[in-house]
Amino acid sequence: QVQLQESGPGLVKPSETLSLTCTVSGGSISTYYWGWIRQPPGKGLEWTGYLYRSGSTNQNPSLKSRVTISVDTSRNQFSLKLRSVTAADTAVYFCARVLPSAHDAFDIWGQGTMVTVSS
Amino acid sequence: QSALTQPPSVSGSPGQSVTISCTGTSSDVGSYNRVSWYQQPPGTAPKLMIYEVSNRPSGVPDRFSGSKSGNTASLTISGLQAEDEADYYCSSYTSITTVVFGGGTKLTVL
Repeated sequence: QVQLQESGPGLVKPSETLSLTCTVSGGSISTYYWGWIRQPPGKGLEWTGYLYRSGSTNQNPSLKSRVTISVDTSRNQFSLKLRSVTAADTAVYFCARVLPSAHDAFDIWGQGTMVTVSS
Repeated sequence: QSALTQPPSVSGSPGQSVTISCTGTSSDVGSYNRVSWYQQPPGTAPKLMIYEVSNRPSGVPDRFSGSKSGNTASLTISGLQAEDEADYYCSSYTSITTVVFGGGTKLTVL
C-alpha cells in the first residue's frame, strides 16, 4: 500500500527558503495526484498546492508567488519549496495523495513534519 | 479564498448523534459536490472520512454520513463513540480550481 514520508529541516531562518521532500513508497508517483497541506500550531488545515500526473502544479493563491512544487520521478519523490519565509509559515507540513476517484480529497497522508521559522 | 465556516466545537453523549456544519459560498460548496470531511485526533495526521459530499472511503463506519444543502455541507455522526472525539475539518473544491478547508470543529464526547 502507498505510504508517504516527509523530510526536511525542522528549523528555517526568516527570509530563507523552506525545502521539504515527500517520499512515496508502495506505488508509482506518476500514477496519482499529490498535494501539500500545512497546519500552524493549534490552528486549522491550509491547502498549499497540488502536483498533477502531468507534472503541472497548482498553488494556494495566498502563497503562489512563493511556492514551487516539483517532482523527481526517478526517486519517487515530490518537493515543496517556500521562499522568503516568516514566522507565519511555522507549521506542520503534510504531504498527501489525492484520492484517485475524487480529485480534491486526500486519502493517504504522511505523518507530517514540523517546521519552525526562527532566527 | 476564505476558509469555510465551521462551529468551533460540538459535543454529544455516547450513543447520540451530532451534526457539524460547513458553510461556504456559491464559489465553492454551493457549486460543486466536492466536499470532503477529515477526522484528526490530537497529534495525528487527518483521516479522510467523507468525499464528494456523501461517499465513505473503505473502512469508514456507516455511522458517518454527509450531506449538502445550498452553500452548507454537513457531517453527521450517529451512535457517538468515545473514539470519535477529535477535530473535524471540511474542505471543498473551488471555482478557481483550488481547495479550501474549514476552520475545524472540536468534537467532545461527554
